[in-house]
Amino acid sequence: DAGITQSPRHKVTETGTPVTLRCHQTENHRYMYWYRQDPGHGLRLIHYSYGVKDTDKGEVSDGYSVSRSKTEDFLLTLESATSSQTSVYFCAISESTSGGWDTQYFGPGTRLTVL
Amino acid sequence: AQSVSQHNHHVILSEAASLELGCNYSYGGTVNLFWYVQYPGQHLQLLLKYFSGDPLVKGIKGFEAEFIKSKFSFNLRKPSVQWSDTAEYFCAVNAGGNNRLAFGKGNQVVVIP
Repeated sequence: DAGITQSPRHKVTETGTPVTLRCHQTENHRYMYWYRQDPGHGLRLIHYSYGVKDTDKGEVSDGYSVSRSKTEDFLLTLESATSSQTSVYFCAISESTSGGWDTQYFGPGTRLTVL
Repeated sequence: AQSVSQHNHHVILSEAASLELGCNYSYGGTVNLFWYVQYPGQHLQLLLKYFSGDPLVKGIKGFEAEFIKSKFSFNLRKPSVQWSDTAEYFCAVNAGGNNRLAFGKGNQVVVIP
């Protein structure tokens, strides 16, 4: 398995509170991604990063922000959590190669419940 | 934007039966194709991938997939399933080298002993 950890693994919070999820990798990969997984929707991309301080939005970015100050860490922040953000959040990493772009590998996930 | 379709979201079959899961995508250019598996309570793991070359790709645990460009399809197959294949299976497509994946909604497969 790729060296990816996520913290916390489980979190329960209340509506309106800020929440930060952390993804840490030991592979020195360039690309990092945040997805949310919901029943019937598969995985949907929230934000991704293509280098330190370089990030871009995914398909469901509203209500989320990200930061990447070091290669190994990618933070996802819910500025003011809402019940619709109750989900399982997965981080993924990948590397670019001479042939283009390579496989994404996934972390263990964070289960977030917003009451 | 690229989209990925997976049909038959819930599949129930008995051990030793054959499994085939369909995946279709909507992008006319060069694609990289993936199947991931998620066992209950676990993260996604790569089953197999296609980048180029032989369109019949073999993956882990006896799975294989065939890329048919004319049909925009990448169907997953296993000739004889086991109870341990109970999991959710996701097809994913990277189109145009944009460093992003589009996922299908998944197939929940339950294998009855």
